Amino acid sequence: GENVEQHPSTLSVQEGDSAVIKCTYSDSASNYFPWYKQELGKRPQLIIDIRSNVGEKKDQRIAVTLNKTAKHFSLHITETQPEDSAVYFCAERGGSNYKLTFGKGTLLTVNP
Amino acid sequence: DTAVSQTPKYLVTQMGNDKSIKCEQNLGHDTMYWYKQDSKKFLKIMFSYNNKELIINETVPNRFSPKSPDKAHLNLHINSLELGDSAVYFCASSQDTRPSYEQYFGPGTRLTVT
Repeated sequence: GENVEQHPSTLSVQEGDSAVIKCTYSDSASNYFPWYKQELGKRPQLIIDIRSNVGEKKDQRIAVTLNKTAKHFSLHITETQPEDSAVYFCAERGGSNYKLTFGKGTLLTVNP
Repeated sequence: DTAVSQTPKYLVTQMGNDKSIKCEQNLGHDTMYWYKQDSKKFLKIMFSYNNKELIINETVPNRFSPKSPDKAHLNLHINSLELGDSAVYFCASSQDTRPSYEQYFGPGTRLTVT
C-alpha cells in the first residue's frame, strides 16, 4: 500500500473520555494494520494490531476495528488517562511488498 | 538487555560532511529497517534488509548507503550531508518479513545538519 490517510491530526480530550482515530487506505490487498504509540522524545511502540481476516480486536482499554469493504480502520481508546497522551500512528502493509506505510500521526492530548 | 540500540543518539555536523549511524539488535531477528522521521513527525521507510539482503530501497538520494555486515547489524552512511537531512533516524527490526511480526524500534538518532 502506498497511501494511508489518518485523521484527525490533533485530538484533545478530557480524562475519562473516549478517543477515536481513523485511517483509510487504498490498497485492497493490504493485510496487516498495526497501531504505534510514540511518546515525546521516545521510540514508536506497537500497541495493537489487526489482520485482514479479523474485524475487531480489543486489549483492555484499546480496540481496533477494520472495515475491509470501506478500506478503513480505527483505534478506540476508552477511559483515557493523561499517560495516553502521545502521537499515535496507524500503518498498513500491502499485499505485494514488505514495507509498512505509516499515516501522518495523531497528537492525542488527554487533559486531567 | 537493550533490544535495538543505535549510536550515536545525537549527531550534530556541518553541511558537506560524511557521517555514519550504527544499529544493532540482540533479538535474533532476520529483518532490519531504517526509517526517517522529519520535523512534522512523518515516519517513512528508507531501507530494509532481510538476512543481509536488501529488500526495500525507497526513493532516497544515493548519498544514503545502508550496509548490513551481519543479521544483527545495520548501518547507515550518509555522504555530503545537506540541511534537509536533519531528522530523527530510527532503526527497527522484526522476526522476519511476515506481516504479523512486530517491528521493534531503536531509540533513534537525532541528526542536525548546520
